[in-house]
Amino acid sequence: NAGVTQTPKFQVLKTGQSMTLQCAQDMNHNSMYWYRQDPGMGLRLIYYSASEGTTDKGEVPNGYNVSRLNKREFSLRLESAAPSQTSVYFCASRDLSRGTNTEAFFGQGTRLTVV
Amino acid sequence: AQSVTQLGSHVSVSEGALVLLRCNYSSSVPPYLFWYVQYPNQGLQLLLKYTSAATLVKGINGFEAEFKKSETSFHLTKPSAHMSDAAEYFCAVTRPGGYQKVTFGTGTKLQVIP
Repeated sequence: NAGVTQTPKFQVLKTGQSMTLQCAQDMNHNSMYWYRQDPGMGLRLIYYSASEGTTDKGEVPNGYNVSRLNKREFSLRLESAAPSQTSVYFCASRDLSRGTNTEAFFGQGTRLTVV
Repeated sequence: AQSVTQLGSHVSVSEGALVLLRCNYSSSVPPYLFWYVQYPNQGLQLLLKYTSAATLVKGINGFEAEFKKSETSFHLTKPSAHMSDAAEYFCAVTRPGGYQKVTFGTGTKLQVIP
């Protein structure tokens, strides 16, 4: 049971470089999410996808783009990394076919440092 | 709009003492509420959830939470702290009706003192 898998686990970027964070889930969930976690700020939603082919902005979308490649995969792209994007990034998925009281399942996170 | 407020970014308890982590919510409609735990360098795991079926919710590892509408609270408790409970705890809220977003609190780090 893999659940939600994120790659890479760690990454160091130079300012201005680009990269894509990968996320895949094997639970057949429709909804997928990208959060960032910063000290004292909890988890903040970057983007989410309610279903294959749809994406929507969360509360902190600036500087990011996403792609819902298929039902399993939801990637997050930083086109031109900035030091303010140093954070821990979490991907999550939920099964809303059973109602919205279902919990989110999280990946192990990607620790990104932008220097 | 929906939000949760966690009072106390750090809480310290002695091993064997009561654990009380506070969460207050704000929601324009009856909410669905969750508590998650995060161990160092790991993702978040669900502890328990309020689904409107019962106001007292029991979760894993001996934790429980009580939904109090009059106080807009969903505090997390455990009668006796164990060293393995040291972690960060997050309260989260969403809404019924197919609502996609889940909003998290800022987290409370629990330290257990031997």
